[in-house]
Amino acid sequence: SQQGEEDPQALSIQEGENATMNCSYKTSINNLQWYRQNSGRGLVHLILIRSNEREKHSGRLRVTLDTSKKSSSLLITASRAADTASYFCATGAMNRDDKIIFGKGTRLHILP
Amino acid sequence: GAGVSQTPSNKVTEKGKYVELRCDPISGHTALYWYRQSLGQGPEFLIYFQGTGAADDSGLPNDRFFAVRPEGSVSTLKIQRTERGDSAVYLCASSLSGPTDTQYFGPGTRLTVL
Repeated sequence: SQQGEEDPQALSIQEGENATMNCSYKTSINNLQWYRQNSGRGLVHLILIRSNEREKHSGRLRVTLDTSKKSSSLLITASRAADTASYFCATGAMNRDDKIIFGKGTRLHILP
Repeated sequence: GAGVSQTPSNKVTEKGKYVELRCDPISGHTALYWYRQSLGQGPEFLIYFQGTGAADDSGLPNDRFFAVRPEGSVSTLKIQRTERGDSAVYLCASSLSGPTDTQYFGPGTRLTVL
């Protein structure tokens, strides 16, 4: 089954710096999604990037997708304390009935 | 509704008891998903509904777990003879038509089995 695996597992950076998280997966995908989770509760959808897209922006977020390397990156620019959270990538189905698989996440900590 | 809602937000039960967890998806979303998340882990897929039917229940860990969505909207996850290992946050999500769409998550139900 397809699976997103994030790295690093944990990341601590100073407020104002940029944070980069990576995701690798194993099989062909229709799309890849990034989610944020605070305090172990509900996930918040950040960005969906489709397999025919290479880069996508949303505010301070930039996501890239390299289907040849089966990898994606999430860049958060000018980090803020409120960005402290866990970030997950989820690989989206090729087929309508295929389920999405989440990785274990990157725990990002923004230091004041 | 405005978003996915789940009730209860917390459930504490004793080993061996039966529990039901409820999910109210976003109105008009035909796809509904249940996940389980343990501390420090990503969400683990349990079951996916397309309308009233379970399109994929391959993630249900054993026959103590069952889920229904009788009218294609609200879903209930049922766990029989709960075990301590069932303790986790149970997350529900919905999407417009299927897994190729963005999933919107509820706040989760934290289940603790004593």
